[in-house]
Amino acid sequence: GQNIDQPTEMTATEGAIVQINCTYQTSGFNGLFWYQQHAGEAPTFLSYNVLDGLEEKGRFSSFLSRSKGYSYLLLKELQMKDSASYLCAFVDSNYQLIWGAGTKLIIKP
Amino acid sequence: GAVVSQHPSWVICKSGTSVKIECRSLDFQATTMFWYRQFPKQSLMLMATSNEGSKATYEQGVEKDKFLINHASLTLSTLTVTSAHPEDSSFYICSARPGEVEQFFGPGTRLTVL
Repeated sequence: GQNIDQPTEMTATEGAIVQINCTYQTSGFNGLFWYQQHAGEAPTFLSYNVLDGLEEKGRFSSFLSRSKGYSYLLLKELQMKDSASYLCAFVDSNYQLIWGAGTKLIIKP
Repeated sequence: GAVVSQHPSWVICKSGTSVKIECRSLDFQATTMFWYRQFPKQSLMLMATSNEGSKATYEQGVEKDKFLINHASLTLSTLTVTSAHPEDSSFYICSARPGEVEQFFGPGTRLTVL
């Protein structure tokens, strides 16, 4: 079967670093996405990993280990505007997106 | 590039009426579009996959006669919620896929059924 799991909620302090983990199980895999979603808005693209390793993009980095079925999103120098839900989703063998439930990130001053 | 629009952005309607939501890819062609529904504090739930020129594929539990999807061109898909009821109130989001992998999301339509 397929499943994907990420923490429901995390809290971090402005200026700090936070890592949001995502684990998944699937027989067919064509990459993993991270999206950011602010309340009442549609998701916006953050990253896409299809090969193992770390992809860095400014303050945000995403890591993938296909053998472990594991990914994380790393946010550095947290800003208040980073308060949002972060959704991980993998692409299955049918090129469908399988979504996690999202991690609500709360940034405190 | 890769902009997807939705119209309307919000709509309020009376119970029993039908509502049509449009999803357009503005600067690319999308053979496949997706319709999602998102209830408060929940993740996206895929309702159906829409392929241009063919019938939509609905996810389990989604009534195809209630949620009518038309993908008449490579840049337009419509979702019609027929005989809407208060429990249909939700945030409806479309996405368009120009290739095989990445999806580009519209801004969403908030539907409130009174």
